[in-house]
Amino acid sequence: GQNIDQPTEMTATEGAIVQINCTYQTSGFNGLFWYQQHAGEAPTFLSYNVLDGLEEKGRFSSFLSRSKGYSYLLLKELQMKDSASYLCAVRDPSDDYKLSFGAGTTVTVRA
Amino acid sequence: DAMVIQNPRYQVTQFGKPVTLSCSQTLNHNVMYWYQQKSSQAPKLLFHYYDKDFNNEADTPDNFQSRRPNTFFCFLDIRSPGLGDAAMYLCATSSTRGSTEAFFGQGTRLTVV
Repeated sequence: GQNIDQPTEMTATEGAIVQINCTYQTSGFNGLFWYQQHAGEAPTFLSYNVLDGLEEKGRFSSFLSRSKGYSYLLLKELQMKDSASYLCAVRDPSDDYKLSFGAGTTVTVRA
Repeated sequence: DAMVIQNPRYQVTQFGKPVTLSCSQTLNHNVMYWYQQKSSQAPKLLFHYYDKDFNNEADTPDNFQSRRPNTFFCFLDIRSPGLGDAAMYLCATSSTRGSTEAFFGQGTRLTVV
């Protein structure tokens, strides 16, 4: 089975940095994905990690440790438009590449 | 250019009247997923296809069916929609061969009246 955990809510100030953690326990592992979702819209792909380490894309970075079953998404220089839900998802090859999601973390950016 | 396309964006159906939602992709991804998402909740996986292999989640109601006639198209059929089936339905694709992304379509918001 799959178990993916992330905090429910986080609040930060414009211009600051926020780190969203995700821990997972799955039967198999073939990549961890992060998505951003604004209310009423579909999730937008942010990043993919399959090997240990840090992937950086502009203001967003994602880190993976497979031995610890742990990832984080780092959002730097926060802007008001970054207020959204952030979803962590894991793909499991032992279950025909099922893509399972955590409950999502709602990030609120305040001025 | 949109790579995962869902039609329609908004669908209104009558209680008990069968409805079909469609998803197409231009990415040649071999895995396709259908999710149901209700307000303020995470996407809930209904089923997914790995190539032609169909995987149904244990808690997906029998009311929900799916078809994948070829690599590029996938359909979600709701045989007798109830009021509780009103939600956003999301299609996603991913590849087990080389690609590192998994993309969503824009979703279909289903209203049951």
